[in-house]
Amino acid sequence: DAEITQSPRHKITETGRQVTLACHQTWNHNNMFWYRQDLGHGLRLIHYSYGVQDTNKGEVSDGYSVSRSNTEDLPLTLESAASSQTSVYFCASSESRSLFDEQYFGPGTRLTVT
Amino acid sequence: DQQVKQNSPSLSVQEGRISILNCDYTNSMFDYFLWYKKYPAEGPTFLISISSIKDKNEDGRFTVFLNKSAKHLSLHIVPSQPGDSAVYFCAAGASGSARQLTFGSGTQLTVLP
Repeated sequence: DAEITQSPRHKITETGRQVTLACHQTWNHNNMFWYRQDLGHGLRLIHYSYGVQDTNKGEVSDGYSVSRSNTEDLPLTLESAASSQTSVYFCASSESRSLFDEQYFGPGTRLTVT
Repeated sequence: DQQVKQNSPSLSVQEGRISILNCDYTNSMFDYFLWYKKYPAEGPTFLISISSIKDKNEDGRFTVFLNKSAKHLSLHIVPSQPGDSAVYFCAAGASGSARQLTFGSGTQLTVLP
């Protein structure tokens, strides 16, 4: 069965360290998204990609970067982790750009920056 | 400024009764709305959607109502079941723009047996 996975599921890191969160999908979807979930804010879009070599900034992109070298993977990098980036991170994918197209979410990565 | 608001952080309902979850939006460009459900330690899963050309969409026990003049939508679950206990997120998007989804902060629904 096709799926979307995230690793690690839990991560504790120190302020200033570079951290990369992995996202891998086997749906063969062109579109991939990274969100963060914080209490009182719901899900906020960090970065998204509509295909290989395509990346775009979302609502809360400062301090984050992504790269898309293949269809299956969209790693999220925190260049220099800050305590404000403590959050739960969700990766998602969808088949088309249409809003009518369901996004499939991964199980999330809980990141703590100390 | 939150463009999609879910003003009730939590809701408790007896099994078998109706659950009504509410969502308000401020951006008049939004023309597509979705509800996602999330269980603990899992990612959100799509539940139901509605476009602005409709005022109601039904899927089994789930019905979404859209009131464009009030910029308000609601999700009705009838009858509610204990397995419906989850966090429900409302999301909205504008098809003419960047096509990104804006999510509300979520409502924790607890269905009591």
